[in-house]
Amino acid sequence: QSVLTQPPSASGTPGQRVTVSCSGSSSNIGSNYVYWYQQFPGTAPKVLIYRNSQRPSGVPDRFSGSRSGTSASLAISGLRSEDEAEYYCATWDDSLSAVVFGGGTKLTVL
Amino acid sequence: QVQLQESGPGLVKPSGTLSLTCSVSGGSIRSSTWWSWVRQSPGKRLEWIGEVYHSGTTNYNLSLKSRITISLDKSKNQFSLNLSSVTAADTAMYYCASRPSVVNYYDTAGHFDIWGQGALVTVSS
Repeated sequence: QSVLTQPPSASGTPGQRVTVSCSGSSSNIGSNYVYWYQQFPGTAPKVLIYRNSQRPSGVPDRFSGSRSGTSASLAISGLRSEDEAEYYCATWDDSLSAVVFGGGTKLTVL
Repeated sequence: QVQLQESGPGLVKPSGTLSLTCSVSGGSIRSSTWWSWVRQSPGKRLEWIGEVYHSGTTNYNLSLKSRITISLDKSKNQFSLNLSSVTAADTAMYYCASRPSVVNYYDTAGHFDIWGQGALVTVSS
């Protein structure tokens, strides 16, 4: 059971806007920055969003992140087939004194 | 461009010690960076193991703390993970990763901007 809760799956058609949620608590998302990772099969995760809503250079602006209270969201607009991947949220948990991850959301582009 | 590369045995016997090394290239292990280990179970769950700074300061996941040692070798530009008393539950892909160090430690906690390709470790007799 992950400390951060994500839906196991999400889907959309090309061009659509899809959101992935990440639910936590006051000891993690509620008080620390949230990060989002994208992972393709057989490869290491790659940071997509840092500090709730910042994009590293090279990440398309189709990807956006937000945080509200004890939840965070990753939005992907103009969905493309190459966005099909696993997405994870992560943050620091003050109670556990550890970085914690969500269980991951597998995004399927129909 | 900093790159990370894991190395170590792919098979460890139960109750033994898992030992992995991460080689840092394209940069110095003495830089303002936290050098970390993250593992991913066969079920795809990600788990932070711990980290080390060039000063030797370490932070460990409390759930694993009694079994973990993370150290660094500045002369070789490497850092290492030792996980003792392993069981089948420790079978995973082990990644080394790095995150920037800033004044407020928590401002980058969770921000792993560079990852190694991963090393699959199986615990089995």
